[in-house]
Amino acid sequence: DIQMTQSPSSLSASVGDRVTITCRASQGIRNDLGWYQQKPGKAPKRLIYAASSLQSGVPSRFSGSGSGTEFTLTISSLQPEDFATYYCLQHNSYPPTFGPGTKVDIK
Amino acid sequence: EVQLVESGGGLVQPGGSLRLSCAASGFTVSSNYMSWVRQAPGKGLEWVSVIYSGGSTYYADSVKGRFTISRDNSKNTLYLQMNSLRAEDTAVYYCARGMIGDYWGQGTLVTVSS
Repeated sequence: DIQMTQSPSSLSASVGDRVTITCRASQGIRNDLGWYQQKPGKAPKRLIYAASSLQSGVPSRFSGSGSGTEFTLTISSLQPEDFATYYCLQHNSYPPTFGPGTKVDIK
Repeated sequence: EVQLVESGGGLVQPGGSLRLSCAASGFTVSSNYMSWVRQAPGKGLEWVSVIYSGGSTYYADSVKGRFTISRDNSKNTLYLQMNSLRAEDTAVYYCARGMIGDYWGQGTLVTVSS
């Protein structure tokens, strides 16, 4: 199975901050990666697919980059509604595997 | 509008069975990959199963041989039949459209406990 790691596991940030989350795969996955946002008690919401394509309806302050084994999710200017947990997911090979998550909370 | 609504969760004893349903609207289940993903209390997300539009199915090793994914095209509904349930299957179960879920249901809680 492909192992996904995320860093940091949590971070504290202020509204307006630029935030970057990194996801690493244990082997190359091309750009077969998505990013998801989950708020407490809610279903995950896809933000990014194919590593860098913005899901329709998602604010442009979210962006994704990377290919192969290293990927990043960037929030250019953190907003109050962005405090949540973020997960990456690889679907290059079975089984699809999620990263352990990065919790973003208020400083 | 695309909508997914799960049902069928509840409390079941170890070794028991449960069938989850995911009623879809706004699109055709049989024309899409459809997935199940679960989340144990306080834990991260775990992919469980997928059914392709052509009918092929895949499962996580943790549920292989115990869970079966299927769909009813006439009802536009996805199912997850869960047998031989274990305590570690306790989780919120989400259905999602596609392999990587552009739309998700609200989830249904399955609790396996005596």
